[in-house]
Amino acid sequence: DQQVKQNSPSLSVQEGRISILNCDYTNSMFDYFLWYKKYPAEGPTFLISISSIKDKNEDGRFTVFLNKSAKHLSLHIVPSQPGDSAVYFCAAKNTGGFKTIFGAGTRLFVKA
Amino acid sequence: GAGVSQTPSNKVTEKGKYVELRCDPISGHTALYWYRQSLGQGPEFLIYFQGTGAADDSGLPNDRFFAVRPEGSVSTLKIQRTERGDSAVYLCASSSGQQETQYFGPGTRLLVL
Repeated sequence: DQQVKQNSPSLSVQEGRISILNCDYTNSMFDYFLWYKKYPAEGPTFLISISSIKDKNEDGRFTVFLNKSAKHLSLHIVPSQPGDSAVYFCAAKNTGGFKTIFGAGTRLFVKA
Repeated sequence: GAGVSQTPSNKVTEKGKYVELRCDPISGHTALYWYRQSLGQGPEFLIYFQGTGAADDSGLPNDRFFAVRPEGSVSTLKIQRTERGDSAVYLCASSSGQQETQYFGPGTRLLVL
């Protein structure tokens, strides 16, 4: 049972345009959500997070939106750069617990 | 400063053998996590240590898997009687506390022939 789903295995975007990566979750106990970025042969790197008390969090070119009623979050990257090409993992947890549950990832290609 | 390191970076073994995978967390980080990442999947939680004790080992798939962190720093993931299905990248992460950002190591790629 996948509690965190990233239904798009890949996404291709032109440099300078917006990249939108989507994530859905099923467990209503999740109240903290994270996005990680992963380059080949490296471990995932934390990118941005959002608590369930917010519906938006912004950090430079990266913005995460949370829609609790739809159990959906998205990561927006604008403008996209070739260096953003990587696999992006959505993750969720309950702040009172230990486990972080990851989605399967979306591979982003930003074309120059 | 140094990040999380994992050794070996690659390990090839034969079915039925025993393997140990090592994780050196960021100095001072009390929380340590092990994950397994299979091809095309995201990291899957295995075990969480707070200090020396395993606070949650519910992700370990069966009793062939065991992890220790005897001095609250370095951790070793031990797999007995390896099976081909154990082939994956094993990731370690550490954080300064349970609710803090996890920093991942580069992983150990395990291949069981």
